Amino acid sequence: DTGVSQNPRHKITKRGQNVTFRCDPISEHNRLYWYRQTLGQGPEFLTYFQNEAQLEKSRLLSDRFSAERPKGSFSTLEIQRTEQGDSAMYLCASSLQSWGGELFFGEGSRLTVL
Amino acid sequence: GQQVMQIPQYQHVQEGEDFTTYCNSSTTLSNIQWYKQRPGGHPVFLIQLVKSGEVKKQKRLTFQFGEAKKNSSLHITATQTTDVGTYFCAGPSGTYKYIFGTGTRLKVLA
Repeated sequence: DTGVSQNPRHKITKRGQNVTFRCDPISEHNRLYWYRQTLGQGPEFLTYFQNEAQLEKSRLLSDRFSAERPKGSFSTLEIQRTEQGDSAMYLCASSLQSWGGELFFGEGSRLTVL
Repeated sequence: GQQVMQIPQYQHVQEGEDFTTYCNSSTTLSNIQWYKQRPGGHPVFLIQLVKSGEVKKQKRLTFQFGEAKKNSSLHITATQTTDVGTYFCAGPSGTYKYIFGTGTRLKVLA
């Protein structure tokens, strides 16, 4: 399968714990995005990487959230000291380095904070 | 900040009826994309429109980009149960990211 891969698919954690999600984009895609989606809402932008450089972060991304893409391939999104409000689907998407490129989304990682 | 709104929020139709969702941006867009998300699934790209007044068709789906490039519509002719899902428009914001609309959830009654 050459699509965008995310894991884990589901994560249940207790409030205050740290969680980390991984995204493996389509191999030739330079651009990588993290979005968050809650029930009944559209995907909400969190952050963007071009190769290994994190070029934009949403103001919604508090200091408890950190994302990396160390070698310009896979990316991780870590949430520290989780809160119940962090419960959501975390979607990763990748695209080719071209203007207006189609976003290819992964299946998402669903986080439930108890 | 830039906002992208869609109406209606929900639409229930009988199979065979037509369906339209409308997308409105608070700012002029260089292009607009449409995605479909099936229940329990992830967004899947449908199409991108770039030119003012552009109309594109994909089988029973017709997409239109407004003359002012601030609005767009998706029309489905003779809906089928396979059309069920949420339809999102998305417009570029700044240099890097796409802002997604609020979505229109379509239910098709057989």
